[in-house]
Amino acid sequence: GAVVSQHPSWVICKSGTSVKIECRSLDFQATTMFWYRQFPKQSLMLMATSNEGSKATYEQGVEKDKFLINHASLTLSTLTVTSAHPEDSSFYICSAHKGGAPNTEAFFGQGTRLTVV
Amino acid sequence: GDSVTQMEGPVTLSEEAFLTINCTYTATGYPSLFWYVQYPGEGLQLLLKATKADDKGSNKGFEATYRKETTSFHLEKGSVQVSDSAVYFCAATGNQFYFGTGTSLTVIP
Repeated sequence: GAVVSQHPSWVICKSGTSVKIECRSLDFQATTMFWYRQFPKQSLMLMATSNEGSKATYEQGVEKDKFLINHASLTLSTLTVTSAHPEDSSFYICSAHKGGAPNTEAFFGQGTRLTVV
Repeated sequence: GDSVTQMEGPVTLSEEAFLTINCTYTATGYPSLFWYVQYPGEGLQLLLKATKADDKGSNKGFEATYRKETTSFHLEKGSVQVSDSAVYFCAATGNQFYFGTGTSLTVIP
């Protein structure tokens, strides 16, 4: 199967700083990647769709200036949590679909546990 | 609109018990159906999938059959182990990827 690698797996940062999370498709090209947020014991909430070479598409209620997404290549998307606050602490997961079609099998990164202190 | 509804948890079973987690879907056309598993502190891993009606996906003793007539894809395992403790997500593809809310399973020795 395809591999999606997410880095870092966990990060602790001070309130007010920014944190960058990387999502890489290791053995396939992904024109589209997806970023999810997961609260404890809850399902995944789609935050945004990352599109290679163009702006990301954000879901309703997600602040695009807070969660900056860059998809500069066919194998890398980054999520930057800007001016992080404790309420941004969460588990963030990315996914990608082979060929980019969102209606096909999703391959997930390992997730990033962000703790803002 | 398209959606996935799965049995709410948490589910607690004794080792070697039979497991069923219900999942039904609403989708236009003929979606592919998936079960993903999430172990504590990790991302989601594909457990099994089925791409057309009457297909049976299976892996690690888990099975699910794509039932178009009942729009269901229930997950079953005949004898669960402690290592099966995780959160299980049902998912379907429509014009995008849809997840159920997840079902937490705890297997006790």
